[in-house]
Amino acid sequence: NAGVTQTPKFQVLKTGQSMTLQCAQDMNHEYMSWYRQDPGMGLRLIHYSVGAGITDQGEVPNGYNVSRSTTEDFPLRLLSAAPSQTSVYFCASSFLNSNQPQHFGDGTRLSIL
Amino acid sequence: TQLLEQSPQFLSIQEGENLTVYCNSSSVFSSLQWYRQEPGEGPVLLVTVVTGGEVKKLKRLTFQFGDARKDSSLHITAAQPGDTGLYLCAGWQYGNKLVFGAGTILRVKS
Repeated sequence: NAGVTQTPKFQVLKTGQSMTLQCAQDMNHEYMSWYRQDPGMGLRLIHYSVGAGITDQGEVPNGYNVSRSTTEDFPLRLLSAAPSQTSVYFCASSFLNSNQPQHFGDGTRLSIL
Repeated sequence: TQLLEQSPQFLSIQEGENLTVYCNSSSVFSSLQWYRQEPGEGPVLLVTVVTGGEVKKLKRLTFQFGDARKDSSLHITAAQPGDTGLYLCAGWQYGNKLVFGAGTILRVKS
């Protein structure tokens, strides 16, 4: 049972480049989300999804796109990378119930030069 | 400004001391969760509190949810070096958004 798998683990981009961070879960969870973690700011919600075909914005959605074509996958796209997007990105999943634990991946460390 | 304010931001204590971490908001939450995160890993759930006034104990950790469901606290008794880590509170807003506080870095020295 792999849980939540994020790829890549590390990435360096140049300003203006685009890329997709991958997230996959094998627990049949309805709820999936993306967070960014910056020093002193905890985790900030970027986008989330309550099921295939349904996505919504979180606290800091600008500059990011998501889609949810299957239950298992929830990719995060950076359209035109900016240095302000340098961060550690975490994907999480859970069953759709507020008492359920969020299962996090190990994160993607992204640097934008 | 974060919806959930955690304090203190950083805590460095000696082994055996007690400590309390606070998580406060002006908003009401349907439930609050506490997570612990170690370097290079994602956060791991410690507890979920659901009912206003609820108290939950997990070995030396005691969690409390405020009566008005706007705040929570985490108390650690006789801290040990293994308790070192980043502690995060998270609240479920109505509408399926889980938002986090900025976190408290705890360092327990032996």
